[in-house]
Amino acid sequence: NAGVTQTPKFRILKIGQSMTLQCTQDMNHNYMYWYRQDPGMGLKLIYYSVGAGITDKGEVPNGYNVSRSTTEDFPLRLELAAPSQTSVYFCASSYSGGDSHQPQHFGDGTRLSIL
Amino acid sequence: AQSVTQPDIHITVSEGASLELRCNYSYGATPYLFWYVQSPGQGLQLLLKYFSGDTLVQGIKGFEAEFKRSQSSFNLRKPSVHWSDAAEYFCAVGPILTGGGNKLTFGTGTQLKVEL
Repeated sequence: NAGVTQTPKFRILKIGQSMTLQCTQDMNHNYMYWYRQDPGMGLKLIYYSVGAGITDKGEVPNGYNVSRSTTEDFPLRLELAAPSQTSVYFCASSYSGGDSHQPQHFGDGTRLSIL
Repeated sequence: AQSVTQPDIHITVSEGASLELRCNYSYGATPYLFWYVQSPGQGLQLLLKYFSGDTLVQGIKGFEAEFKRSQSSFNLRKPSVHWSDAAEYFCAVGPILTGGGNKLTFGTGTQLKVEL
């Protein structure tokens, strides 16, 4: 009963380095999302995907890239890390079909510091 | 554009006291409303949701919320708070109709502290 799994849980990067945050879900959800959470700011949507091979920008996509080659996985890529990307990153997934959709399920987050 | 306002950044209540967390939303269509809770170092857990039917909805952990269309509000309540309820609470709004990614807009959260 894993749900949404994010790795790593913590990471420290140097400015200019790159990394990939991993997200996988085992609920056969078609929709997946990446958010960042900054203190006092709530959650901001970075990118989302409505199915394998389909991705789209959210509210704050600059500096990030995503891909969705399978239903289960939705990695988030930081190419040139900047201090402004220090944040907690959450992956979420949900099912949408027909005339209904289900609430989003969240992973436990990745805490990323860029120094 | 859609938005969610949680006017209380911090709330402190005594254990056993009642609780009400405020949420106001702005949305151009019939909204799908959610309350999530986040414990320290954890992800968000769904407390309850509303999109139609009875305007008073029950959730997990003894929480309930009331949808008031005329006030564009979806306030969260609990009759008697337990120390384990200390956490951050987020209200969110999204579309009822499927398609378009079903994107949610979150409020900035209310941090609840419970005094023993």
